Amino acid sequence: DTAVSQTPKYLVTQMGNDKSIKCEQNLGHDTMYWYKQDSKKFLKIMFSYNNKELIINETVPNRFSPKSPDKAHLNLHINSLELGDSAVYFCASSQWEKNEQFFGPGTRLTVL
Amino acid sequence: QKEVEQDPGPLSVPEGAIVSLNCTYSNSAFQYFMWYRQYSRKGPELLMYTYSSGNKEDGRFTAQVDKSSKYISLFIRDSQPSDSATYLCAMSRNNAGNMLTFGGGTRLMVKP
Repeated sequence: DTAVSQTPKYLVTQMGNDKSIKCEQNLGHDTMYWYKQDSKKFLKIMFSYNNKELIINETVPNRFSPKSPDKAHLNLHINSLELGDSAVYFCASSQWEKNEQFFGPGTRLTVL
Repeated sequence: QKEVEQDPGPLSVPEGAIVSLNCTYSNSAFQYFMWYRQYSRKGPELLMYTYSSGNKEDGRFTAQVDKSSKYISLFIRDSQPSDSATYLCAMSRNNAGNMLTFGGGTRLMVKP
């Protein structure tokens, strides 16, 4: 049973396209996150959602928009993709009162 | 200067060695400290979670936090080839759904 799952695993697309990445967790957590891991392995928080409300929005371009239809899902939509968006995107979840975050397997995005 | 510094390695040790992995940080507000293990092309996996200064042991793993020196460590006893991975430290200011600040990771190679 996968705890945090993401689709797709790989995404190759052209500059200027719009794409979405989906995340689902079956841990019963109430908070979900999106992280970006660049080629140097640095993991940086992009967004978090608690009870369907955006809690944190780091200095992320507004081309990135998270959408949470319910507590178990947090999707990431990216408009007008740029070369610099190429990275691995990780979804994670936790209980709001705990900082132990559980990560998905990642989506490797390549923008050509 | 990054808030959390971690030597990228790689750190190469023989099987059975004791491994010491370290992070330093600059923000004295950090109170919660975590170690994640990340295998190649996988998501980070939570290994250890500690609060404030002190030690915590779990099997072959021991986490140490020295807040006065802003220094945290992860020790791995009797290292195994299966321990070969990138180890990421992470920390946060509070326990409530807060963002994690990650180090860049140390790549560990345990040779049989």
